[in-house]
Amino acid sequence: DGGITQSPKYLFRKEGQNVTLSCEQNLNHDAMYWYRQDPGQGLRLIYYSQIVNDFQKGDIAEGYSVSREKKESFPLTVTSAQKNPTAFYLCASSIRTEWANVLTFGAGSRLTVL
Amino acid sequence: AQSVSQHNHHVILSEAASLELGCNYSYGGTVNLFWYVQYPGQHLQLLLKYFSGDPLVKGIKGFEAEFIKSKFSFNLRKPSVQWSDTAEYFCAVNAADTGRRALTFGSGTRLQVQP
Repeated sequence: DGGITQSPKYLFRKEGQNVTLSCEQNLNHDAMYWYRQDPGQGLRLIYYSQIVNDFQKGDIAEGYSVSREKKESFPLTVTSAQKNPTAFYLCASSIRTEWANVLTFGAGSRLTVL
Repeated sequence: AQSVSQHNHHVILSEAASLELGCNYSYGGTVNLFWYVQYPGQHLQLLLKYFSGDPLVKGIKGFEAEFIKSKFSFNLRKPSVQWSDTAEYFCAVNAADTGRRALTFGSGTRLQVQP
């Protein structure tokens, strides 16, 4: 079955540590996205990538970094510079078009910083 | 910058009641509009979308939404809700001509349907 796999599902880290969240898709989608979901704030865009080796900052990119070395993979690193990293992180992908298209979402990764 | 407002944060209804969830966006140009739903323990999934044409769009599970350009609105409706509609609903917009190729989401509305 085609879809998006995010790992790990749950992650606990100490303050000051960098963590990397994995996102892999086998949908052959060109575009991939990272959103952060917090209660009462909906989904906020962290980074997105339309093609391999290219990505753009979203609305809350500070303290995060990404890479897009392969079409199917778009890992997100939450750095120690992110002031409030505890959150639910969602990865999504879509066919690349002139505009953003319909998103397919992964199951999410819940990060808790102790 | 584009933004999306969902004014109903938490809605509680009884089964068979009618539903309308508000969604307003801020961009004045051409837009694509979406409603996504997140059922408990499940992935976010598309409920319906508007790209162009008939401003009244129908989605899955009996949901529909109406695009009213003059009001910058895309409200979600369902004539008779079921207990299984309990979920969180997100409105999203993408604006053309902004260079941004990603959706902007609203803060979400949590719907609780009581049997």
